[in-house]
Amino acid sequence: AQSVTQPDIHITVSEGASLELRCNYSYGATPYLFWYVQSPGQGLQLLLKYFSGDTLVQGIKGFEAEFKRSQSSFNLRKPSVHWSDAAEYFCAVGAWNDYKLSFGAGTTVTVRA
Amino acid sequence: NAGVTQTPKFQVLKTGQSMTLQCAQDMNHNSMYWYRQDPGMGLRLIYYSASEGTTDKGEVPNGYNVSRLNKREFSLRLESAAPSQTSVYFCASTRQGFEVSNYGYTFGSGTRLTVV
Repeated sequence: AQSVTQPDIHITVSEGASLELRCNYSYGATPYLFWYVQSPGQGLQLLLKYFSGDTLVQGIKGFEAEFKRSQSSFNLRKPSVHWSDAAEYFCAVGAWNDYKLSFGAGTTVTVRA
Repeated sequence: NAGVTQTPKFQVLKTGQSMTLQCAQDMNHNSMYWYRQDPGMGLRLIYYSASEGTTDKGEVPNGYNVSRLNKREFSLRLESAAPSQTSVYFCASTRQGFEVSNYGYTFGSGTRLTVV
C-alpha cells in the first residue's frame, strides 16, 4: 500500500522568505501526488497535483512542487511567502485504480512579520 | 455552488451519547468519504462509499457506522461516543472513486467534535 511521510511537523518562516515543505512517498509504481492546504478552521483545498508529464508542477497561490522519482519526493515550494500562507499543508498519494488517497501527518507553517 | 456541506460545524457530546454527522454534495459526485483529523496523525479514512448503495471500511472504522442515503448524502453515525472519538471530521467527495488519483477530493469545512 502507498504511504506518505512529511518529516517536518512545524516550520517558521519570515514573510517574503522562501518556503520548502518536504514530502516523501512509498509506492512501487508511478504515484499520483497531491498537496492540500488547510487554513485555520477551514477544510482542505487542493494546491496542485502530479500524475505524469513534467516533473515541475505549478499550482494555485504561487506554489510549485517537483517530483523526483530517484528520491521518492514531492517537495512543495514558494519563492516568497505571504502572511496568508500560514496554514497546515498536507501531502497525499494515490494509486492507479485505487479509490482513496493516503495523507501525511501535515506540516504547520507559521509566518512571522 | 456550495460544493460539500457538513453539519453541524461544532458539537459537544457526553460519553455514551449518539449522534449523526451529515454530509451533502451538489457536484453530482459518485464517491464520498469520511476522514478524521487528529494532531500529528494527519487524515485517516473512516469509511467511504464508492457509489450510491455501497459502503466500505477505511483504516479506522471501529465505533462508527455510515449510510449513503442517496447520491448526494453520506452520513456518519457514532452510536456510543467515546473520548477517543474527539476529533475533527471531514467529508470529501470525488467524481468517480477509481479516478480519485486523477482528480483528488473536494472537502467540506469539517465538524469539530468533542466527547467529554
